[in-house]
Amino acid sequence: EVQLLESGGGLIQPGGSLRLSCIASGFTFTDYALSWVRQAPGKGLEWISGLSADGRGAYYADAVKGRFTISGDKSKNTLFLQMNSLRVGDTAVYYCATAMGAYWGQGTPVTVSS
Amino acid sequence: DIQMTQSPSAMSASVGDRVSITCRASQGINNYLAWFQQKPGKVPKRLMYGASSLQSGVPSRFSGSGSGTEFTLTISSLQPEDFATYYCLQYNGYPYSFGQGTKLEIK
Repeated sequence: EVQLLESGGGLIQPGGSLRLSCIASGFTFTDYALSWVRQAPGKGLEWISGLSADGRGAYYADAVKGRFTISGDKSKNTLFLQMNSLRVGDTAVYYCATAMGAYWGQGTPVTVSS
Repeated sequence: DIQMTQSPSAMSASVGDRVSITCRASQGINNYLAWFQQKPGKVPKRLMYGASSLQSGVPSRFSGSGSGTEFTLTISSLQPEDFATYYCLQYNGYPYSFGQGTKLEIK
């Protein structure tokens, strides 16, 4: 059974940094491209970053480019999202998902507030 | 970057109605389109992929159609559990992008 489990969210002040993790199980990590998707309170889904299956390609939405970095550790079956220079507007639930959306984690909430 | 324009943003309908939701892409996406259903407080659930392939376990009243830049999700006969928000996602090329969502409410 495919499972994705996010962690690392929390309350952070504007300008701060957080590192989200997503542990994958039930599949070979290099079988799927993976994505981070976020959802601000009361808003729609927003794709923010993707990692190719081979881990060589990292892609970003304009809203996070230059501030967020996606990476993966095959040995730990873990996807990461390093988030720097956080803004109030980054407040959202952050989901990891397989790239085409077949599988999703439960999400981890990030609140950026002073 | 590809923009996805979803319509309508909200609609109301009755149990048993046939409803359709449309997504238009700003450029051709080779049918690399998925549809999701999300209920309040829940994780999105994929309904369709490849524009018209039904996800395993999803009722056959859901169908997808379209090609190129215009795509449609149709629910043939609304059931009470179908009232939710629906999103399209293009995965033709990075950056991927979602439509803004369609909230389907009970009339």
